[in-house]
Amino acid sequence: ETGVTQTPRHLVMGMTNKKSLKCEQHLGHNAMYWYKQSAKKPLELMFVYSLEERVENNSVPSRFSPECPNSSHLFLHLHTLQPEDSALYLCASSQDPSGTGDPYEQYFGPGTRLTVT
Amino acid sequence: RKEVEQDPGPFNVPEGATVAFNCTYSNSASQSFFWYRQDCRKEPKLLMSVYSSGNEDGRFTAQLNRASQYISLLIRDSKLSDSATYLCVVNQRNSGYALNFGKGTSLLVTP
Repeated sequence: ETGVTQTPRHLVMGMTNKKSLKCEQHLGHNAMYWYKQSAKKPLELMFVYSLEERVENNSVPSRFSPECPNSSHLFLHLHTLQPEDSALYLCASSQDPSGTGDPYEQYFGPGTRLTVT
Repeated sequence: RKEVEQDPGPFNVPEGATVAFNCTYSNSASQSFFWYRQDCRKEPKLLMSVYSSGNEDGRFTAQLNRASQYISLLIRDSKLSDSATYLCVVNQRNSGYALNFGKGTSLLVTP
């Protein structure tokens, strides 16, 4: 496996379900990100983990719960979602920019297309 | 005012044409600027960073005007494979993590 992988690629879930999205990066990076991309809206940053610690949480509802067990893996746990949460969820990774303060290129996974019914 | 604004297009141009996209950003403290490319139903990928003095990478030229808070991307000699959505990206504040993405400009290059 190379780059950033995400599973599943497609997910349909009911509003009462609990599911998890998985992301794995094979690039040796130590910062990982979750983004949401809805139709006709720009990518929205949801969470950032650096060195396995959460460093950004952009006012995301608590029905989205991230987990970063190590620098290569990132999860997004989902529960009691709403239909408006249907979107493409993208994971990305980069070198950790905290030393310089300058952002590095972010490498994106293919995304999970989520439909909430 | 939106953080990053782009004309959504679509821009329909013939092969070989030159096309330019513009982008404005609202946060004057932004320090880093990028153009990403996103193909239909695919993930975004970095096309090029944008430097203060302007920079060129083959057929692609990026310019930055800090005074006007304006970024541009010029594509010369368009190829069919250039058809994609081009995302203007600005770092949100003095943070290496937070990138602010525009909605993107759609380009279709036709034979």
